[in-house]
Amino acid sequence: GAVVSQHPSWVICKSGTSVKIECRSLDFQATTMFWYRQFPKQSLMLMATSNEGSKATYEQGVEKDKFLINHASLTLSTLTVTSAHPEDSSFYICSARDRGGKRGVINEQFFGPGTRLTVL
Amino acid sequence: EDQVTQSPEALRLQEGESSSLNCSYTVSGLRGLFWYRQDPGKGPEFLFTLYSAGEEKEKERLKATLTKKESFLHITAPKPEDSATYLCAVQAVSGGGADGLTFGKGTHLIIQP
Repeated sequence: GAVVSQHPSWVICKSGTSVKIECRSLDFQATTMFWYRQFPKQSLMLMATSNEGSKATYEQGVEKDKFLINHASLTLSTLTVTSAHPEDSSFYICSARDRGGKRGVINEQFFGPGTRLTVL
Repeated sequence: EDQVTQSPEALRLQEGESSSLNCSYTVSGLRGLFWYRQDPGKGPEFLFTLYSAGEEKEKERLKATLTKKESFLHITAPKPEDSATYLCAVQAVSGGGADGLTFGKGTHLIIQP
């Protein structure tokens, strides 16, 4: 099956610092990647959709200047949490959709293992 | 607004005791309904995609079904290794091309030996 990796798997940082999380599709090309956030005992909430070579599309209520997304290639998207604060502590999960699927046909999203961010 | 409601929130079964998990959804237009399994501290693992009412899919001890309002994940003779949180998500028809998923909160399943 399709494999998606994330790095780092966990990170602890001080309030006010910036943190970068990488999402890579290892054995397929992903035109589109998605970033989700999951708080304890809550569902995954879509933050933004990342398209290769273009600007990300953010969901309502997600600050685009705080959560910077770059999708520089078909296998890599990065999420940078700028000036992180304790309320940004969460489990960040990316997913990737296989570019090889037929147009108009839903392609399964394959999820990474997640990154646990703790802001002190 | 798309909504996904899963029930029960938690379910404890004895090994071998079959049961069903429910996923009710409201969506402007359904492109697909997805079931995932999530273990603690891990990302979701894909199980099934269902596209239209009446569709069924099976994988080992799991069987997913879909109607116009809900989906069921049936688990037959479960084993302790089936313990996990099972997530349901929908993908809505969207002219803008945004294909993110809307997730339910999940059902936390525990299978006791």
